[in-house]
Amino acid sequence: EPEVTQTPSHQVTQMGQEVILRCVPISNHLYFYWYRQILGQKVEFLVSFYNNEISEKSEIFDDQFSVERPDGSNFTLKIRSTKLEDSAMYFCASSDDLAGEQFFGPGTRLTVL
Amino acid sequence: QKEVEQNSGPLSVPEGAIASLNCTYSDRGSQSFFWYRQYSGKSPELIMSIYSNGDKEDGRFTAQLNKASQYVSLLIRDSQPSDSATYLCAVRRNNNDMRFGAGTRLTVKP
Repeated sequence: EPEVTQTPSHQVTQMGQEVILRCVPISNHLYFYWYRQILGQKVEFLVSFYNNEISEKSEIFDDQFSVERPDGSNFTLKIRSTKLEDSAMYFCASSDDLAGEQFFGPGTRLTVL
Repeated sequence: QKEVEQNSGPLSVPEGAIASLNCTYSDRGSQSFFWYRQYSGKSPELIMSIYSNGDKEDGRFTAQLNKASQYVSLLIRDSQPSDSATYLCAVRRNNNDMRFGAGTRLTVKP
């Protein structure tokens, strides 16, 4: 069964460093998403991406964040200068149409020291 | 008012009983509604989607939607200990983003 994959599973970084989180969406899906979940809190929408551009972003997704589809399979989230409060689980998701079901990857746990 | 609201629980039911999980949402223009299950330390796993008013059944799960009341529910019949998890209600608005409730923690006791 096709699934979303994410790497790394755990990333530890120093405050102020740049991190890139990687995702491989389900192969025939066209819509890609990033969410985050701070420990003990709800899942929060960050950004949606379609046709090589951002279609929606939340108030969380500020200038420190960027997304990219560098090739036909990968979808990345970059945090330019990490802050302590960026520590969270980051989930990638994909869907095959705009209103469709979103399937989540296993997540990357980001720890900022 | 929270965009998507759920009782945090914990909700405890005995094995074999029906578990009832509820969710309300604030954006009347919302189009699509989803229930996810999340085990501790894991990612959300899709259980069901529902797009129109009424009931939708899939195995032991039934989702119910009432757009006039801005209310979504999930019923789990014949609850099993393996159903013990946090259940997340998610609502997609007119635009292409999806908002989650804080989740209801369900415990099914053998």
